[in-house]
Amino acid sequence: DVKVTQSSRYLVKRTGEKVFLECVQDMDHENMFWYRQDPGLGLRLIYFSYDVKMKEKGDIPEGYSVSREKKERFSLILESASTNQTSMYLCASSSPGGSNLNEQFFGPGTRLTVL
Amino acid sequence: EDKVVQSPLSLVVHEGDTVTLNCSYEVTNFRSLLWYKQEKKAPTFLFMLTSSGIEKKSGRLSSILDKKELFSILNITATQTGDSAVYLCAFPAGSGNTGKLIFGQGTTLQVKP
Repeated sequence: DVKVTQSSRYLVKRTGEKVFLECVQDMDHENMFWYRQDPGLGLRLIYFSYDVKMKEKGDIPEGYSVSREKKERFSLILESASTNQTSMYLCASSSPGGSNLNEQFFGPGTRLTVL
Repeated sequence: EDKVVQSPLSLVVHEGDTVTLNCSYEVTNFRSLLWYKQEKKAPTFLFMLTSSGIEKKSGRLSSILDKKELFSILNITATQTGDSAVYLCAFPAGSGNTGKLIFGQGTTLQVKP
């Protein structure tokens, strides 16, 4: 059974703190993604990675960075958290060789609140 | 610029009603369209559509794609309270096969008893 896990379901941080969100998948997927989800805006792509140590900016990368040192792990970093980064963060993974091409498998999400 | 628009943004119905959700798109290099259901947590995959006019069906849910008019619909018949969720459509974006998806805003469906 495919599985994507995220390090925290709920997180509360203060403005200016450095925040790490971790995502791990056990499906040996090449592609991994970080989204944020806000009411009325759907899922917006922050960063994605299609291989170890490779990363590409998504639609809203400002204020975020990522790290992919191992195939199964993709980390999202908020260098200096701000209140406008309060959101639900979703991680996903996919394989270019999957039976349903481009199907992404999602983690349970991390609801981050920045005070 | 590729984009996808879902309508309505929200919908409230009663159990037993039938609902139709719409996803319209403009994509330069169309390959497929995906539907997801999101309850309180992770979106879960429902359907992938690649060909016009061929209905995909799973229980009370069905979906069809119209590549000429550039839209897809998701139908839910005999709705139940467990159908309450956000329904998302998405399509692969960009060239190559990075797996990147562009999502619509989602339709929030609430089914009342």
